[in-house]
Parts: sequence; structure tokens; C-alpha cells
Amino acid sequence: GAVVSQHPSWVICKSGTSVKIECRSLDFQATTMFWYRQFPKQSLMLMATSNEGSKATYEQGVEKDKFLINHASLTLSTLTVTSAHPEDSSFYICSARPSSGRPTYEQYFGPGTRLTVT
Amino acid sequence: GENVEQHPSTLSVQEGDSAVIKCTYSDSASNYFPWYKQELGKRPQLIIDIRSNVGEKKDQRIAVTLNKTAKHFSLHITETQPEDSAVYFCAANPPGGYQKVTFGTGTKLQVIP
Repeated sequence: GAVVSQHPSWVICKSGTSVKIECRSLDFQATTMFWYRQFPKQSLMLMATSNEGSKATYEQGVEKDKFLINHASLTLSTLTVTSAHPEDSSFYICSARPSSGRPTYEQYFGPGTRLTVT
Repeated sequence: GENVEQHPSTLSVQEGDSAVIKCTYSDSASNYFPWYKQELGKRPQLIIDIRSNVGEKKDQRIAVTLNKTAKHFSLHITETQPEDSAVYFCAANPPGGYQKVTFGTGTKLQVIP
């Protein structure tokens, strides 16, 4: 149980285009989901907290107009990287906190999406 | 906000030896401390966690200790095996709100056969 999926697992796009990444909790509901970015040999850096039915909360230094987050249901959050540039190339990982039925202090990670912008 | 420091950044041990990774945190309100193992290109996997009302927790070859007064916690892996080679992250989780987790900088553990 507590499975989180991400789609796509990897994507290559051209500079200036937009890319959407989906994060789904498959067997539980998640009021809160988190989006992280991880550059090679670095730690996970929280980009934003996604809350179902409300606006996402972005961490300092993360452009909300560039990284659009939509949490339209209790099982789906999406991250759209708009006007992507090579410096946006990274490993994007989501995680989900269960709304109930499991300890809410735990979070379950998706498998990650490798984004390469050429 | 919370700040988590992790040491060492790299650690090499001989197979069968023990490995210890240490972390410190800044927010005394943090009450949940998970440890994650991440293999290259994969998601972090929770390997053990500890809550602030407990000083030590053990699961087979893995143990975690927590010193709330000093605000530091450690991961201990005994009888290391080559498959333990990975990057390990500690994290601290304050209570309330959305309970954002702050990760340490990571330790690359290499177990030499």
C-alpha cells in the first residue's frame, strides 16, 4: 500500500516549451502533496506544497509563475514547468501525505521524473 | 525555518563494519526524524524513523538514536553489506501546518566488498 506514481518517468523537451508532470496517489487520498527538485549529487529541495482545492505554497526563490502547480483532486497533483530552459533540467520528485488511515507525518514518494531541456 | 546538517558527505567502510551518519537540526519543535536511502535515479526509500518521544529505535541492522537536548540524531548500520551502498538522507519534520520536511545534504555510503 501507499503507492505514489509519477508520469512521465523521463521527458526531453526543447527550450521554451512547457512540460507537465503528474503525481498520483494510487491507494490513498492525499490532501497535501510536495514537489521536490533534485540536482545531481545534491539533496532534495522542496519547491512547493500542494494542497487540494487551494493554491500551492511556494518556497522562497521558486517562481510560482514558472512552476505551476494544480492539486485538483485528493489523488492528483500536477507540476507544469513553463518556458523550460536548460537550467530547469533536473530530477523532479513528488511526495504525498495521507489524509487518513495512515500516520499523517509520513510521506510517500513518487519514482521521480527526469527532465532534460535541450 | 528548519535547518538540517548532515555528516559525513561521503563514507567508505569495509563490508561487515559499521557505518554511522550524524545529523543536527535547528528547530527544537521538530518531532519526527525519518531516514531515507536513495539509489541512483530512484525515489528515496524510508528505512527507519523516530519520533521525539523516543531516544532510540532499532530494526535489524539499522538503528537510529535521538538526542533532543543536543538536537542531533544518528543512523547506525551494523554488519554492512555491498547492497547498503547508496546515498542516505536524514530529515526533520516540525509539527503543525503542512509538516514540511527538511532534508539533510546526504551521505554517500560505499561498502567495499
